[in-house]
Amino acid sequence: GNSVTQMEGPVTLSEEAFLTINCTYTATGYPSLFWYVQYPGEGLQLLLKATKADDKGSNKGFEATYRKETTSFHLEKGSVQVSDSAVYFCALKHNAGNMLTFGGGTRLMVKP
Amino acid sequence: DGGITQSPKYLFRKEGQNVTLSCEQNLNHDAMYWYRQDPGQGLRLIYYSQIVNDFQKGDIAEGYSVSREKKESFPLTVTSAQKNPTAFYLCASSEETSAVATQYFGPGTRLLVL
Repeated sequence: GNSVTQMEGPVTLSEEAFLTINCTYTATGYPSLFWYVQYPGEGLQLLLKATKADDKGSNKGFEATYRKETTSFHLEKGSVQVSDSAVYFCALKHNAGNMLTFGGGTRLMVKP
Repeated sequence: DGGITQSPKYLFRKEGQNVTLSCEQNLNHDAMYWYRQDPGQGLRLIYYSQIVNDFQKGDIAEGYSVSREKKESFPLTVTSAQKNPTAFYLCASSEETSAVATQYFGPGTRLLVL
């Protein structure tokens, strides 16, 4: 079946540090890949997505590239801010279905 | 402003009681979804609906029921058969159900058992 694995958190960084949150997936065919962000006490917001191999999704300084050869979709940001502190979820959606499969989430804490 | 609303924000349930969580969207989306989130974990799908008057079980449907009588509404009932209902419940919708369609989420309802 489909599955998503994320690095366990929390990830603690100082402001302006470089961020990488690893995400790998298992799926047949060609899924679409998503990153969602959840701020404390709120629902999920779509951060970025990629729908085919080698696509790069980007938004608000965050980027992730769909790597089919390594089945990965790692999230990166060059310079994090305190306001980026949140939980980040990697997810996939299979071509043949309409359900999202989520990773367990990675909590990011950015200190001033 | 278009979006998804969930109510209430907090809900308390007594033992043996059924409770209903509301989810409304004005995005004109065909598909709607209910997820459960437990502390420190990812989301798990409870039920989804691709079109009015139709819905399907997700991975953890036992102890829950839904209806889809209107396109904009997809209420979730947590029945007394759900023995561990304490969680954060998230509703989502998408324009259609292809792999590229984005799901948009509501703000969530936190359910607590008294």
